[in-house]
Amino acid sequence: GAVVSQHPSWVICKSGTSVKIECRSLDFQATTMFWYRQFPKQSLMLMATSNEGSKATYEQGVEKDKFLINHASLTLSTLTVTSAHPEDSSFYICSAIPLGGAIDRRISDSNQPQHFGDGTRLSIL
Amino acid sequence: GIQVEQSPPDLILQEGANSTLRCNFSDSVNNLQWFHQNPWGQLINLFYIPSGTKQNGRLSATTVATERYSLLYISSSQTTDSGVYFCAPRRISNFGNEKLTFGTGTRLTIIP
Repeated sequence: GAVVSQHPSWVICKSGTSVKIECRSLDFQATTMFWYRQFPKQSLMLMATSNEGSKATYEQGVEKDKFLINHASLTLSTLTVTSAHPEDSSFYICSAIPLGGAIDRRISDSNQPQHFGDGTRLSIL
Repeated sequence: GIQVEQSPPDLILQEGANSTLRCNFSDSVNNLQWFHQNPWGQLINLFYIPSGTKQNGRLSATTVATERYSLLYISSSQTTDSGVYFCAPRRISNFGNEKLTFGTGTRLTIIP
């Protein structure tokens, strides 16, 4: 269980193009999803936290107008890289925390790990 | 923010060897995850361990939260264990969400 699907796996496109990446939780619901970026031979860096039904919260230094996040349902978050340039080329990974407990199912279950998608390799020419 | 350092940064071992990977973190945490990132970039959840010791086959992990470190043990290494191992402490962010901070990683190469 706890499968996160990310699509597409690879994207190669021209500079100036906008690219949308989807992150879906297949067998659970999630009010909170996360978007990370990883440059070659580096660690994962959190870009933003995606909150279902409300605005995403961005980490310091991440341009919210450049990286648009939409979390319209409990199983889908999207990241759109607008007007992508070669420096945006990277590996983008999403994750999700399943909803918890019987008392309030609207709260992410802090007793569960984050589950990750397989990532999207974005190359901007 | 929290600083997360892993050691060693690189490790090359013969198949069958044992290894210990260390993760030090600079602040108190709610929980901690260990991951294996394979050569294709996939992140595999290994352990979710706020404290104590857990074992799963040839792998085990120990977190001593009061001393701000965690250890990952790999026994009888196989070539499929190659990849990068990340620890990621989990804390409550300023916005009330739990967030992971990934460590610097240990790149493990197992030679047949």
